[in-house]
Amino acid sequence: GESVGLHLPTLSVQEGDNSIINCAYSNSASDYFIWYKQESGKGPQFIIDIRSNMDKRQGQRVTVLLNKTVKHLSLQIAATQPGDSAVYFCAELGSGAGSYQLTFGKGTKLSVIP
Amino acid sequence: EPEVTQTPSHQVTQMGQEVILRCVPISNHLYFYWYRQILGQKVEFLVSFYNNEISEKSEIFDDQFSVERPDGSNFTLKIRSTKLEDSAMYFCASTTILLETQYFGPGTRLLVL
Repeated sequence: GESVGLHLPTLSVQEGDNSIINCAYSNSASDYFIWYKQESGKGPQFIIDIRSNMDKRQGQRVTVLLNKTVKHLSLQIAATQPGDSAVYFCAELGSGAGSYQLTFGKGTKLSVIP
Repeated sequence: EPEVTQTPSHQVTQMGQEVILRCVPISNHLYFYWYRQILGQKVEFLVSFYNNEISEKSEIFDDQFSVERPDGSNFTLKIRSTKLEDSAMYFCASTTILLETQYFGPGTRLLVL
């Protein structure tokens, strides 16, 4: 079946540097993508989203890029802080036949080195 | 800021027992979801609920599972006869409309012994 996956399972970044977390998706019909942050023992926390008719979206210190040609999604975190340490999931909101469940990737663990 | 809440935060039960996990979605939301996350694995969709009925369910959501919205605020997940493999974090989520961000609760950690 179609799925969402991540290229890198772990990422270590020096505090103050920029972080880039990547995600590949296979469902070309997906309309909507979301990045979630999950801290240990907590639920997924919304970071930023992007619709399939966009290439880029910026938030506060975060930017999501969508490349539909190669079915690739990335999350960029500027000036990474210790509080950014968490597991980051990309999630795809399926479309078609009323299916709007989120399909999550396995996650990338971001560790920020002080 | 409104948020999804879940109770209990932790639940330990014996295999074969029934458990009910409770969620209070964000008040103006219309679509409700349950997901689960087995330790170390990705979050998996269980069921979606709209207008007092299930709109979609996954293969995981078998006859042992049921959902209910008993009043205007609570949304529950019942597992009738728990199995060891039901041990996981269970997350409730809600959203206002389809194709919008789903907001997650803090989860209930279920341990089946």
